[in-house]
Amino acid sequence: ELKVEQNPLFLSMQEGKNYTIYCNYSTTSDRLYWYRQDPGKSLESLFVLLSNGAVKQEGRLMASLDTKARLSTLHITAAVHDLSATYFCAVAGGTYKYIFGTGTRLKVLA
Amino acid sequence: NAGVTQTPKFRILKIGQSMTLQCTQDMNHNYMYWYRQDPGMGLKLIYYSVGAGITDKGEVPNGYNVSRSTTEDFPLRLELAAPSQTSVYFCASSSAPSTARGEQYFGPGTRLTVT
Repeated sequence: ELKVEQNPLFLSMQEGKNYTIYCNYSTTSDRLYWYRQDPGKSLESLFVLLSNGAVKQEGRLMASLDTKARLSTLHITAAVHDLSATYFCAVAGGTYKYIFGTGTRLKVLA
Repeated sequence: NAGVTQTPKFRILKIGQSMTLQCTQDMNHNYMYWYRQDPGMGLKLIYYSVGAGITDKGEVPNGYNVSRSTTEDFPLRLELAAPSQTSVYFCASSSAPSTARGEQYFGPGTRLTVT
């Protein structure tokens, strides 16, 4: 059974600092997705990582995928308040399903 | 382009009542999903569909039913509502996860309270 774990679950950081969110999964998959959810809102797609070694960057966020280690990271560079949200990773679990991590609630303090 | 739409946005049900949550997508996606998200938690898959006429159970299907008569619509039926079904419900759609990008597009959610 595919399981997806994220850490940390909660992250409070100062503006301008760097930090990394980790997403580990238990069985082989070559597709991993990162989503953002603002409080009271829906989920929006951030990154789609489709192969080992894939790296995607958008603004202050950079995501990478290591399929051999079954690990994806979401790196935050010089955090700003607008990045405060909950971040989910999701792994393609076979042909039809996606398994979501528990989410990382990020709060960036001014 | 509307994407994925859900109605209603909010609903309060009494215990034992029934209701249908509506979901429509205009992206011609074959794959559609229903999730529930409890406060402060991640998403749990209730049901999914890989095309019109084909549905299957997810992690937490008890107390729910779905149908998929068209590519666009994927309604979720709650029968005999219980307080444990208080949650936010998200509908999502995607192209085939095994091809192309496969990312999911989410609707705005339905916030349901059962009292």
